[in-house]
Amino acid sequence: QMQLQESGPGLVRPSQTLSLTCTVSGGSISSGDFYWSWIRQPPGEGLQWIGHMYYSGSTYYNPSLKSRLTISVDTSKNQFALQLFSVTAADTAVYYCARRPVTVNVDAFDIWGQGTMVTVSS
Amino acid sequence: QSVLTQPPSASGTPGQRVTISCSGSRSNLGKNTVSWYQHLPGTAPRLLIFLNHERPSGVPDRFSGSKSGTSASLAISGLRSDDEADYYCSAWDDSLNGVVFGGGTKLTVL
Repeated sequence: QMQLQESGPGLVRPSQTLSLTCTVSGGSISSGDFYWSWIRQPPGEGLQWIGHMYYSGSTYYNPSLKSRLTISVDTSKNQFALQLFSVTAADTAVYYCARRPVTVNVDAFDIWGQGTMVTVSS
Repeated sequence: QSVLTQPPSASGTPGQRVTISCSGSRSNLGKNTVSWYQHLPGTAPRLLIFLNHERPSGVPDRFSGSKSGTSASLAISGLRSDDEADYYCSAWDDSLNGVVFGGGTKLTVL
């Protein structure tokens, strides 16, 4: 069974860059079967889709974050990454990585990481 | 505000049947399938329903989903105390060209 695990700093200063990595185990990130996704949950709020990427480079970003966002894949490490630039306190959230099967026969996020809390504060 | 609309809370007693609604628009629920997630604080969200009414293996048949037009619902029968969690609906939105979620419904088992 594939597993996903987020890692990265728990504290980021305002105006700096938030960088997280998701390590995929139990399967290959370059299998071509999944979109590799980031989702977040600010404190007291609901889930917000950030974006996702196909291993070959195609990306889909939330329009509200697109200007500050990069999602990338490192097939050699079986990891994918999130970079969110110029962060503010509004970016404080639990960040989840997840996989979304490419096939239209699923159309959902079927496996998620445990999540990592990131606080933006000086 | 979330693109998909859910009631903020729902409740029921053990053994009861509860339903949670999810309302959207033509660009999301009207054209695409809905999925539902169960989320306990501090844990990974769990996929409960995909393609409107399909259950992943391991999800009991007490959980069922349906969709009609721009609305969807999740039903939980034989309510148990460990069903107490937050529930989210989600769908692809053709106008936003991205995934949207509901605001979540906190289910309390009385």
